[in-house]
Amino acid sequence: GAGVSQSPSNKVTEKGKDVELRCDPISGHTALYWYRQSLGQGLEFLIYFQGNSAPDKSGLPSDRFSAERTGGSVSTLTIQRTQQEDSAVYLCASSLGGGGVRNTGELFFGEGSRLTVL
Amino acid sequence: AQKITQTQPGMFVQEKEAVTLDCTYDTSDQSYGLFWYKQPSSGEMIFLIYQGSYDEQNATEGRYSLNFQKARKSANLVISASQLGDSAMYFCAMREVNDYKLSFGAGTTVTVRA
Repeated sequence: GAGVSQSPSNKVTEKGKDVELRCDPISGHTALYWYRQSLGQGLEFLIYFQGNSAPDKSGLPSDRFSAERTGGSVSTLTIQRTQQEDSAVYLCASSLGGGGVRNTGELFFGEGSRLTVL
Repeated sequence: AQKITQTQPGMFVQEKEAVTLDCTYDTSDQSYGLFWYKQPSSGEMIFLIYQGSYDEQNATEGRYSLNFQKARKSANLVISASQLGDSAMYFCAMREVNDYKLSFGAGTTVTVRA
C-alpha cells in the first residue's frame, strides 16, 4: 500500500524478552518518527530520523530502547528486556520534510504496533 | 513543562450540533505550527487541520475550523454539524520553529449521540 506500514500489529511477550517493531514509511519521505501511546493517553515522542543525519534519540525512555533506520527507509524499534510498563501502542510516522514552521506537511501515521508485556 | 494542554478529557455532543475542543499551548517562539489529529477507535491518526502562527486567517477544512487566538495561546477546534463518525479521540499538537517533532496534548474523547 501507499501508507506507512507497521508490523506486527499486535505483539504479546513475556517480561524480560526482547521485541522488534518494524516501520516501513511512505516512499520518498525523508523524516521518520516513533511515538508511544499508553492506554488512553497522548503521544510520547521517542526518536526521529531525518535523511542521513544523526537521529534525535532524546525521547527514548531508557537504554533498553534503541532504533535504527536502514538505507533511509525501513526502521526498526528494539526494546530489550521488556517490562510491563513498556506495554503501549508504538506509532510510526513519516513526513516529506523535517523541521521548520513553514513545513505544513502533516505526519502520516501507521496503524501502530500494540505491545503487551505479561 | 507541558507544551500542549487539552483540559477536556471527554465530551458528548448531539448529532448535527457543533462542538468546540479546547487547546492551549506554551511556547516562547514567535513562529510555530499547530495541528489537530483525529484518532478513531481503530487507532490510526488522521490529520485534520493546520494553523501557522503567521497565518492571519483562521484555518478551515470542510466541517473543521480552528479558532486561533494567538495572544491567548489557544487553538480550539470547532467541528460543525457533528456526525456519528466524528466519535473519536482528538489531539492538538504543536511544532515549534526549527523543530521537527510534534508535541501532542493528552487528547479529548468526543462521543456523538444520535
